[in-house]
Amino acid sequence: GDSVTQMEGPVTLSEEAFLTINCTYTATGYPSLFWYVQYPGEGLQLLLKATKADDKGSNKGFEATYRKETTSFHLEKGSVQVSDSAVYFCATQGWNTGNQFYFGTGTSLTVIP
Amino acid sequence: DGGITQSPKYLFRKEGQNVTLSCEQNLNHDAMYWYRQDPGQGLRLIYYSQIVNDFQKGDIAEGYSVSREKKESFPLTVTSAQKNPTAFYLCASSIPRNTGELFFGEGSRLTVL
Repeated sequence: GDSVTQMEGPVTLSEEAFLTINCTYTATGYPSLFWYVQYPGEGLQLLLKATKADDKGSNKGFEATYRKETTSFHLEKGSVQVSDSAVYFCATQGWNTGNQFYFGTGTSLTVIP
Repeated sequence: DGGITQSPKYLFRKEGQNVTLSCEQNLNHDAMYWYRQDPGQGLRLIYYSQIVNDFQKGDIAEGYSVSREKKESFPLTVTSAQKNPTAFYLCASSIPRNTGELFFGEGSRLTVL
């Protein structure tokens, strides 16, 4: 079945550092790929998405590119801020599994001033 | 404003009691979901419903029950059969078969005393 594997945390960075959180997926067909963010005590919010190979999703300075050849969707940001501290989840939406979403285990990011 | 409302935000339960978590959405979405979140395990799907009066088990349905009598509402009952119910529960909705996103509520934290 479909699955998502993402980099384990926690990750601690200084403000203005470069961020990469790795995500790889296993899926049949052509899944859509997502990054969600969860701030403390809240539900998840969509950060960015990509629906086909080579698409790049971007939002709030974060970017991720849908790489079908490596089945990856790594999240990057050039300069993190303290306000980016949160848990980040990679997810797929199955192409042939109805409307089911599959989530990674989450990566906790703490940015220190 | 459109969105998903979960209640209560915090709930305490004695062992052997059933509890029901409320989830209401005014986004006019057909599909609704319940996820359980535990530290280090990401999100696990409990139940989902793609249309009124129909729902399917997810990966960890044992000890839970749901109903979908109205499009707007998808309550989750945590029964006494659930062996380890203490967790953070998230409700979400989406437009079925759309390469879009899941919209999440703010979650309900259940603690069994």
